[in-house]
Amino acid sequence: EAGVTQFPSHSVIEKGQTVTLRCDPISGHDNLYWYRRVMGKEIKFLLHFVKESKQDESGMPNNRFLAERTGGTYSTLKVQPAELEDSGVYFCASSQDIRPDNEQFFGPGTRLTVL
Amino acid sequence: GENVEQHPSTLSVQEGDSAVIKCTYSDSASNYFPWYKQELGKGPQLIIDIRSNVGEKKDQRIAVTLNKTAKHFSLHITETQPEDSAVYFCAASLNSGGYQKVTFGTGTKLQVIP
Repeated sequence: EAGVTQFPSHSVIEKGQTVTLRCDPISGHDNLYWYRRVMGKEIKFLLHFVKESKQDESGMPNNRFLAERTGGTYSTLKVQPAELEDSGVYFCASSQDIRPDNEQFFGPGTRLTVL
Repeated sequence: GENVEQHPSTLSVQEGDSAVIKCTYSDSASNYFPWYKQELGKGPQLIIDIRSNVGEKKDQRIAVTLNKTAKHFSLHITETQPEDSAVYFCAASLNSGGYQKVTFGTGTKLQVIP
């Protein structure tokens, strides 16, 4: 079974540009999460999809970030326009259901550098 | 919201020694505590977890303890091996709007010296 995949693995852009990150969850997983880790800090929650619906987007930093999950399969996270403080590693995770002990499977992350 | 603190940020041990990573959480409603290991170039992977109704759990060389009263939990790795070198994250999970919301610590970079 394929794990969670993310594309691209690295992205270097200039301030003001737009970047779109993609996440393909494990097939059949209704729950999809986006997280971000800034260097040396915690893995911070951004948002949670249940199928195609945004269940919780309380962690999204501001309106420059837009997440979508059309059809309830893969998800994209767009940053427009990017700022220096958006640099970090963006992780996607998926889980089968919402039980508290249901494991979240993480992708390898996308390292975003904004110059 | 929940706040998780994790110490130390870096830890170096000799192969064969034990390693201990400690975390505290702020919200007494948190009821599930997973630990993740992140190896270079990979995403975090669950290695062990503990529920709030259990004080200790062990899986081969790793064990977790939970003190609900003090709101702290720890990861113990015994007989460390070079392949244990990685970044370890603790996390606390609580019910939010019918779903579980996970809050992570800042990570501990463990280096096992052969």
